[in-house]
Amino acid sequence: KAGVTQTPRYLIKTRGQQVTLSCSPISGHRSVSWYQQTPGQGLQFLFEYFSETQRNKGNFPGRFSGRQFSNSRSEMNVSTLELGDSALYLCASSWTGFTNTEAFFGQGTRLTVV
Amino acid sequence: AQTVTQSQPEMSVQEAETVTLSCTYDTSESDYYLFWYKQPPSRQMILVIRQEAYKQQNATENRFSVNFQKAAKSFSLKISDSQLGDAAMYFCAYRAQKNAGGTSYGKLTFGQGTILTVHP
Repeated sequence: KAGVTQTPRYLIKTRGQQVTLSCSPISGHRSVSWYQQTPGQGLQFLFEYFSETQRNKGNFPGRFSGRQFSNSRSEMNVSTLELGDSALYLCASSWTGFTNTEAFFGQGTRLTVV
Repeated sequence: AQTVTQSQPEMSVQEAETVTLSCTYDTSESDYYLFWYKQPPSRQMILVIRQEAYKQQNATENRFSVNFQKAAKSFSLKISDSQLGDAAMYFCAYRAQKNAGGTSYGKLTFGQGTILTVHP
């Protein structure tokens, strides 16, 4: 069974640009969550999608957005990139996103903003 | 808001020895789940062990076990017979069980992590 796949693995973007990251969950999983990981702030929850609907959102500015498609694949978009957006972005999938279901993580996308 | 604190930025252990990683958390909830995740250099987060707060018995997975002290809000991870492959960053994480207002869907709250080095 294939794991959670995130693409691309590495990205370099310029300040002011926008970027789209992709996450393909494990087959059958309908919940996808996104996290930002930085040395200073650690792992922070961005948002969660289930059946194409955003159910939960962390404390990030509106420049961070996401969506989920009917096949449960998810994308997150960051517009008007800032240097502080440089981070490892991780996505996690689970059956339902409820507390008793295990979350499986992808290997992440390393975004560098220059 | 829930918070998770790992007070040990780095720990080291000799191969075959035992090491304990500390974690404390703060919550007003009575039902929740606690996790330890491992993040090796490959960056992929791997679930090591899970503990349901309503269970008094400490969870165990092979060489990994926890000491869950609910009243003290403490959740430490013990790694026995340490192996070189255990070297990684370890994160303690919390997930609420109740979902008031949809604030718990898919959300894990992580500690800052502990880097574990295993010496041969």
